[in-house]
Amino acid sequence: ETGVTQTPRHLVMGMTNKKSLKCEQHLGHNAMYWYKQSAKKPLELMFVYSLEERVENNSVPSRFSPECPNSSHLFLHLHTLQPEDSALYLCASSQGPEMGNEQFFGPGTRLTVL
Amino acid sequence: AQKVTQAQTEISVVEKEDVTLDCVYETRDTTYYLFWYKQPPSGELVFLIRRNSFDEQNEISGRYSWNFQKSTSSFNFTITASQVVDSAVYFCALSEAYMNRDDKIIFGKGTRLHILP
Repeated sequence: ETGVTQTPRHLVMGMTNKKSLKCEQHLGHNAMYWYKQSAKKPLELMFVYSLEERVENNSVPSRFSPECPNSSHLFLHLHTLQPEDSALYLCASSQGPEMGNEQFFGPGTRLTVL
Repeated sequence: AQKVTQAQTEISVVEKEDVTLDCVYETRDTTYYLFWYKQPPSGELVFLIRRNSFDEQNEISGRYSWNFQKSTSSFNFTITASQVVDSAVYFCALSEAYMNRDDKIIFGKGTRLHILP
């Protein structure tokens, strides 16, 4: 596998379910990101991890819980979501979180909350 | 406040035509980076180009070219002799040296480009 992979690609869940999104990067990068892409809205940065430490948390509700066990893996744990959380969740990685580093994106997980 | 505006929500052109995607940005910083990404139907954003604020030289890569104009705060993207495979959503993005903690990188809303056969 190369690049950034995400599983699952599609997920349908009820508001009371607990699920996790997984992201893996095979690029040797030190920074990883979660983005939310809703229809007709700009990409929203949710979390940034650098060397497994969270460096950004953009006022994301606590029903989204990230986890970065090592520099290659990033998870987004979901619980008691709302229908408005339905969106495409994109993972990305870069050499570091510094300005100017291009980010490499995964294909995303299309999440539907019923 | 930093901001990226892509005024064209959707564009349709016939194959082989040239098309320009506009990007206007706002920043108070003198040091910043601009990016273009392509998002095909498969979903992942693909990095196309990065430009730093001190390099106004235009760039050409095959059928793609970018025009960076600091005087008008614009970073426009032109596709020459468009092809159906160019159909995608294109995002312009801005990253500053001294962004506040809420903004690591700002993306525009994107321009959906349809290339008609």
